[in-house]
Amino acid sequence: QQPVQSPQAVILREGEDAVINCSSSKALYSVHWYRQKHGEAPVFLMILLKGGEQKGHDKISASFNEKKQQSSLYLTASQLSYSGTYFCGTRSVGKLIFGQGTTLQVKP
Amino acid sequence: NAGVTQTPKFQVLKTGQSMTLQCAQDMNHNSMYWYRQDPGMGLRLIYYSASEGTTDKGEVPNGYNVSRLNKREFSLRLESAAPSQTSVYFCASSEGWGPAGTEAFFGQGTRLTVV
Repeated sequence: QQPVQSPQAVILREGEDAVINCSSSKALYSVHWYRQKHGEAPVFLMILLKGGEQKGHDKISASFNEKKQQSSLYLTASQLSYSGTYFCGTRSVGKLIFGQGTTLQVKP
Repeated sequence: NAGVTQTPKFQVLKTGQSMTLQCAQDMNHNSMYWYRQDPGMGLRLIYYSASEGTTDKGEVPNGYNVSRLNKREFSLRLESAAPSQTSVYFCASSEGWGPAGTEAFFGQGTRLTVV
């Protein structure tokens, strides 16, 4: 079952912050995050494991609460290069299942 | 480094025609995936292969077949194409070990139009 992402779309000005949420109805062992720029393939950002682990990638960080079966991606002081569609992914019997995506647009 | 290579990049088919999308990876990965991407639907898993010789259905397998020819190659076949199969298709691979999974690498995609 697909994880659910919110919001579906975000428009920001450079320097503003954003949060993208991902939730699942199934128990999670890990959460993956990917970013896809327009016309390109998705690119890996990070994996979060059980234990509430937080990881960072430049000014992008994420948290994982396995009890609530939720993960959040934090984009701070956003840059134009952050524009794209962000996907969370969850593993189920080896299969990597993605949410529907959150489109982020950063304007000058 | 080639990574994951998909062919063709673009294809136009007539309804009822068949075709095979090819995917090859040179990273010695165990797991390979086929996804389709439609506007507003995200990446939906069509088929998955955990290792050479094994395949498993994903979220949207109807109308497709796959073959894991060897560790490197994972092909997706449309036996009788329908307009509803117009989409962008991505192949991906990962090492696949452990319950948490590992980073997945994606090919550049195949844009398929069925008329």
